[in-house]
Amino acid sequence: DTGVSQDPRHKITKRGQNVTFRCDPISEHNRLYWYRQTLGQGPEFLTYFQNEAQLEKSRLLSDRFSAERPKGSFSTLEIQRTEQGDSAMYLCASSPRGQGVDTQYFGPGTRLTVL
Amino acid sequence: AQKVTQAQTEISVVEKEDVTLDCVYETRDTTYYLFWYKQPPSGELVFLIRRNSFDEQNEISGRYSWNFQKSTSSFNFTITASQVVDSAVYFCALHYTGANSKLTFGKGITLSVRP
Repeated sequence: DTGVSQDPRHKITKRGQNVTFRCDPISEHNRLYWYRQTLGQGPEFLTYFQNEAQLEKSRLLSDRFSAERPKGSFSTLEIQRTEQGDSAMYLCASSPRGQGVDTQYFGPGTRLTVL
Repeated sequence: AQKVTQAQTEISVVEKEDVTLDCVYETRDTTYYLFWYKQPPSGELVFLIRRNSFDEQNEISGRYSWNFQKSTSSFNFTITASQVVDSAVYFCALHYTGANSKLTFGKGITLSVRP
């Protein structure tokens, strides 16, 4: 099995620009998660999909953030009108179909730098 | 409050030393899960172990061992005979039943193993 993949691995953008990140989960994992990690901190939950349905969103996910998983496979996270405070590592994770709590497997992350 | 505290921020040891990484958690739930992840310099979070609140048995996997004590709300991780490849940031995380899906992470412990 290939792991979770994310693209791009690094993104440098200017303040005010829009950016979009992609996450491909492990094949047949129906649950997909986005987290944000800033320097010296642990990952913080942003949002969660089960198949194509977005079931939970954190208060961290402002109106400028939107996530989609249109066919229940890959997901995209878009940030509009980026701000310097958006600079962080954006991590995607997936977990298999199952009851209750599943182990989340993480991708390598996309490091965003907003100038 | 649901919280994970990793009081140690940085630990430096010489190769072959044993090292223990501490994790203290807070939750009101009686059913919860605890995790440890490793984040090497490449950035990808690597799953190490998962433990549910009803299973207090300690676990050993090679050089790694985990000590779960509900009485002190701790889930500590010991690396025996550390190696340079163990150098990474280690995160403890909590999933509680009220969380729906998200993991709550501690701030992480940076472990440096010197040759």
